[in-house]
Order: sequence, then C-alpha cells, then structure tokens
Amino acid sequence: SYALTQPPSVSVAPGQTARITCGENNIGSKSVHWYQQKPGQAPVLVVYDDSDRPSGIPERFSGSNSGNTATLTISRVEAGDEADYYCQVYNSSGDRVVFGGGTKLTVL
Amino acid sequence: QVQLVESGGGVVQPGRSLRLSCAASGFTFSSYPMHWVRQAPGKGLEWAAFISYDGINKYYADSVKGRFTISRDNSKNTLYLQMNSLKTEDTAVYYCARVGSSGWYADSWGQGTLVTVSS
Repeated sequence: SYALTQPPSVSVAPGQTARITCGENNIGSKSVHWYQQKPGQAPVLVVYDDSDRPSGIPERFSGSNSGNTATLTISRVEAGDEADYYCQVYNSSGDRVVFGGGTKLTVL
Repeated sequence: QVQLVESGGGVVQPGRSLRLSCAASGFTFSSYPMHWVRQAPGKGLEWAAFISYDGINKYYADSVKGRFTISRDNSKNTLYLQMNSLKTEDTAVYYCARVGSSGWYADSWGQGTLVTVSS
C-alpha cells in the first residue's frame, strides 16, 4: 500500500516556525487533513480540509495545499508541540483513506 | 463530549479470529460514518476500514480486505471489527474514529485497543 510522502523528521527551536510537508502528485486537487500524535496517545485532528482548524486547536496551527505539496505550518513553536504529525487524504479511486508516513517534530 | 471506547483486544494465534468493539457516546452515533485505523508498534497510522452512518457502504484497505468485516449496531451505539485469519502483521493498536461532517477525516478518536498476533 502506498503512503503520502512526508519527511521523517523536522527540528525547530522554540518560538520559530515549523513547516511539515506532505507530497503526492496533484495533491492540490484533494482535501488534506493533519493529525498530531504524542507518545502513548491517540491522534488528534489539528487541521482539516487543507486549512480549517477544529475548535480548541490554537491559531498557531495552519495548513495550505497546492500543486504537489500540502504543508502544515506551526508558528511560534512550543515544547508541547513535539509530536508525530500525519497527513491524510481520501483517494476516490478505490474509496480508501491514505496516511502519510509521519513526521517527528523535535523542538530543540 | 464525544467518547469512543474500544475493547476486545488481546493476544491471539495466527489464523484465529478476534472481534473488536467500540462503544460510542456523547453524540448521535447513527448520524456519523466511522473508521477503524491501526498502528503497528513503532510505525505510522494505517487506515483499515470505513462504514457509512447506516451501515450500507463499507470500504477496506487492501491489507485487510476479505479477512476483516466492519459493522455497526446503531441501536447499541457500537462499532465492530471482526478480524479473521489473523496474521502476525496485523499486530497493532486499533483505533475507532468518528468521521468528520465535511469529509473523510477523523475528528474524534478512541484510546485504542492492542491486538497481538503471535504463536
């Protein structure tokens, strides 16, 4: 089974901006969703439909999607943002859900 | 608030069966499609199955198609995953998740139940 392409790891200093990418051919034509997962916990939805935030998710989390790359941007990164992040799309050819391989965000 | 509680995990031998349950509360269960998503130890998320709100439409990942069956009982607010012919590679934490109102994303997740397939 295939997975969306994510960098295995991203590192950023506190207060800086983290950008996590998710790649697939023409991903801009699909809705992309993002999850945060901390060790030992269930995933949490942080961005849906490319750029919408669920209630309770800080405005520091934002998303964009165009061409072959979707991006999750975390502004003013905090230590508590350290987690694994996964992107996800719906693939209409086959009626299936696809996740990215995950990116480990490290706050230096 | 939305609550999803999985149960039924455990240790099972290869080739045997197991049924997982997910008890839902805090929302109108019968109005929402649901997912099962799994995560092998130390690995990423893998979607396993989807069921529509009324149980009519069901979709599966290739890795579980023909072996797993997703179902629901809206009168009991419960989602199920019947897993047959289990393989060692099915070892994972299994999460049930509610599908969001505008798409195929999962807006609420249970805490998961661990299934270990081992002889």
